[in-house]
Amino acid sequence: DQQVKQNSPSLSVQEGRISILNCDYTNSMFDYFLWYKKYPAEGPTFLISISSIKDKNEDGRFTVFLNKSAKHLSLHIVPSQPGDSAVYFCAASARYGGATNKLIFGTGTLLAVQP
Amino acid sequence: DTGVSQNPRHKITKRGQNVTFRCDPISEHNRLYWYRQTLGQGPEFLTYFQNEAQLEKSRLLSDRFSAERPKGSFSTLEIQRTEQGDSAMYLCASSLGATDTEAFFGQGTRLTVV
Repeated sequence: DQQVKQNSPSLSVQEGRISILNCDYTNSMFDYFLWYKKYPAEGPTFLISISSIKDKNEDGRFTVFLNKSAKHLSLHIVPSQPGDSAVYFCAASARYGGATNKLIFGTGTLLAVQP
Repeated sequence: DTGVSQNPRHKITKRGQNVTFRCDPISEHNRLYWYRQTLGQGPEFLTYFQNEAQLEKSRLLSDRFSAERPKGSFSTLEIQRTEQGDSAMYLCASSLGATDTEAFFGQGTRLTVV
């Protein structure tokens, strides 16, 4: 049972334009969401996170939006740069009772930013 | 370097052999996690430690897998009697453990069982 879904395996965007990566989840107990970026042969690198008490969090070129009623979140990258080309993973955590912060990951979206 | 460190980066082993991986977390982090990633998938949770206590193990972690964090600092993950299906990237991550804190990952150990 895939609790975190990234339905677009890949996305291609022109440099300078907006990249929008989407993520859906099924577990209503998830209350903390993160985006990671991963280059080949490296571990995931943390990008940005959002708590369920918010609907938007912004950090530089990266903005994450959370729609709890739709169980959907998205990552916007503006403007996109060639160095942003990587696999992006959405992850979610259910922190009930101050628990593990165990992350459940989606399958990833490969972003290619064309110069 | 104050990031999460994993050794070795690559390991090739014959089926049936035992292998051990090491993870050194960020020094002030009390939570340590092990994940496994196969091609085309996201990282899958294996187990987690709060200091030296192993508090959760995934059903993915068969009896051939054992993890330790004896002094609440570095951790080891051992796989006994390796099988070809164990071939994957093994990722270690650490976090402060407080609410709203992200986990930081190491570069992983790529295991190939031949």
